[in-house]
Amino acid sequence: DQQVKQNSPSLSVQEGRISILNCDYTNSMFDYFLWYKKYPAEGPTFLISISSIKDKNEDGRFTVFLNKSAKHLSLHIVPSQPGDSAVYFCAASAPDKLVFGAGTILRVKS
Amino acid sequence: NAGVTQTPKFQVLKTGQSMTLQCAQDMNHNSMYWYRQDPGMGLRLIYYSASEGTTDKGEVPNGYNVSRLNKREFSLRLESAAPSQTSVYFCASGRGQPQHFGDGTRLSIL
Repeated sequence: DQQVKQNSPSLSVQEGRISILNCDYTNSMFDYFLWYKKYPAEGPTFLISISSIKDKNEDGRFTVFLNKSAKHLSLHIVPSQPGDSAVYFCAASAPDKLVFGAGTILRVKS
Repeated sequence: NAGVTQTPKFQVLKTGQSMTLQCAQDMNHNSMYWYRQDPGMGLRLIYYSASEGTTDKGEVPNGYNVSRLNKREFSLRLESAAPSQTSVYFCASGRGQPQHFGDGTRLSIL
């Protein structure tokens, strides 16, 4: 039973446009959410996070939105760049552990 | 800054062989984690250690053992490798969130 779901295995976007990656969760006890970015042959690197008491967090080109009532979060990347092409994992924190989604492959075309 | 260092990067084993994956972190983090990443399944937690001297099972602990040797080092052992354990293994450390990941060990079991 997947508690964190990323229903889109892949997403292709034109350079300069917005990328929107989505994530759904089922456990209402999750209180902190994170996005990680992963390039081939490297480990995941932390990108941005949001606490359950907020509905938006922004860091440069990256914004994460949280809709608690829908148990849904999304990552917006504006503008998208070719270097953003990677696998993006959504993760939810259950006190000291993380539960990961399956990931979404983002391809930014130049 | 080394961060989280994993050795080896690649390994091929035969069914039934044993193997220890090594992980060390230089960020003075209390918590350390072992994950495996399989296609379409994201990262799944195998074992974690919230502090030196303690270890706990994660989502998929069967077939593995761990040792928290000291604050810096956390090893993962496969006593009798099985083809189902073919995967990419990631070690992570953290003080709360976010966790910081190593670059992984790609393990193939024939």
